[in-house]
Amino acid sequence: QQPVQSPQAVILREGEDAVINCSSSKALYSVHWYRQKHGEAPVFLMILLKGGEQKGHDKISASFNEKKQQSSLYLTASQLSYSGTYFCGTLSSGNQFYFGTGTSLTVIP
Amino acid sequence: EAQVTQNPRYLITVTGKKLTVTCSQNMNHEYMSWYRQDPGLGLRQIYYSMNVEVTDKGDVPEGYKVSRKEKRNFPLILESPSPNQTSLYFCASSLYWSSYNSPLHFGNGTRLTVT
Repeated sequence: QQPVQSPQAVILREGEDAVINCSSSKALYSVHWYRQKHGEAPVFLMILLKGGEQKGHDKISASFNEKKQQSSLYLTASQLSYSGTYFCGTLSSGNQFYFGTGTSLTVIP
Repeated sequence: EAQVTQNPRYLITVTGKKLTVTCSQNMNHEYMSWYRQDPGLGLRQIYYSMNVEVTDKGDVPEGYKVSRKEKRNFPLILESPSPNQTSLYFCASSLYWSSYNSPLHFGNGTRLTVT
């Protein structure tokens, strides 16, 4: 029931783009995205609700395809500050919330 | 300042010695939860609480207890810690879980080592 994230790790140069995918085997009510810097707590990025919405925040955006039970996080023109581990979190029926295993993103100069 | 406060930040203990990790939030959030984070496994939910006196098991509840006597506090209790409970623990809270669109606010984490 834990959502599957891909890729597990990615290394980018500053200015490059990345896509992180999150896929669930269960029907989803919402998808959360969080970023965690090493040794720190996860920090909220955005929530997407079912309805196929797409959201954006600065150069980070995300989409949610409820029919495919998938969400994707898009990072464009990456900056050094984008480095960290990205987690999706999915909420299904039963109020249980599952985080994905995470995607490690490293941005190098 | 709105925050989730966990204590202690670091804890080293021995097998079998009961311990409590405290979690408190000052945002009047209804929902609170505990996660453990292990390398390669991501964040796994231990217990959660939808409101005062309402708690439920998450994905990995064995060996843990919780209570929610007040809205702001959600302590995690390890009655008889074992080495496989060595992990990084996070407490988190959210305003209204039932609306599906409330973000989780995390505490700074507690790194527990059981020898």
